[in-house]
Amino acid sequence: GESVGLHLPTLSVQEGDNSIINCAYSNSASDYFIWYKQESGKGPQFIIDIRSNMDKRQGQRVTVLLNKTVKHLSLQIAATQPGDSAVYFCAERSGNRDDKIIFGKGTRLHILP
Amino acid sequence: NAGVTQTPKFQVLKTGQSMTLQCAQDMNHNSMYWYRQDPGMGLRLIYYSASEGTTDKGEVPNGYNVSRLNKREFSLRLESAAPSQTSVYFCASSAGLAGGRTDTQYFGPGTRLTVL
Repeated sequence: GESVGLHLPTLSVQEGDNSIINCAYSNSASDYFIWYKQESGKGPQFIIDIRSNMDKRQGQRVTVLLNKTVKHLSLQIAATQPGDSAVYFCAERSGNRDDKIIFGKGTRLHILP
Repeated sequence: NAGVTQTPKFQVLKTGQSMTLQCAQDMNHNSMYWYRQDPGMGLRLIYYSASEGTTDKGEVPNGYNVSRLNKREFSLRLESAAPSQTSVYFCASSAGLAGGRTDTQYFGPGTRLTVL
């Protein structure tokens, strides 16, 4: 079946360093991927997305990389700040007509002072 | 613009009680969604409404009903609450497929429900 998962449940990063959060997906028909950030006690917040016809997309301090060959997605956060502490979810939209989004279980990013 | 709002923020129920979670959005979005989030897990889709007047089951619909009251509002009802329904419930909305396939969902702040 379709699934979206994450390699690491918790990632600890020194403040100022770059963070890389990884995600594997299994549905080769998925054509759209999204990263969400969820802070404690809040709802998920959209960070960045990428279509399957792209390999890389950059935002403000964030970059998403998509490797369709190995069905791998990553989120890179440059110069990690304390405000980046959160749980990060990757999500995929299948290429089917129902267009529902499937979320991964999340990775907690912990910033070390 | 308030975005997506949910009420209540917290609720405690006894097994067998019923309640309705309310959700409203002011972004003129076509699609609305209800998710539940359990500890250590991602979001699981309960029901969604692709447009006003339509609703469809998601991944975990059992024990729930929904109503798309109008374009703005999408409610989730628990007819007979069970402890397994203890969770955080999130409502979301998106512009819908008419805008293309990059359809970002915007989430509300969540409702924390405990069923004793």
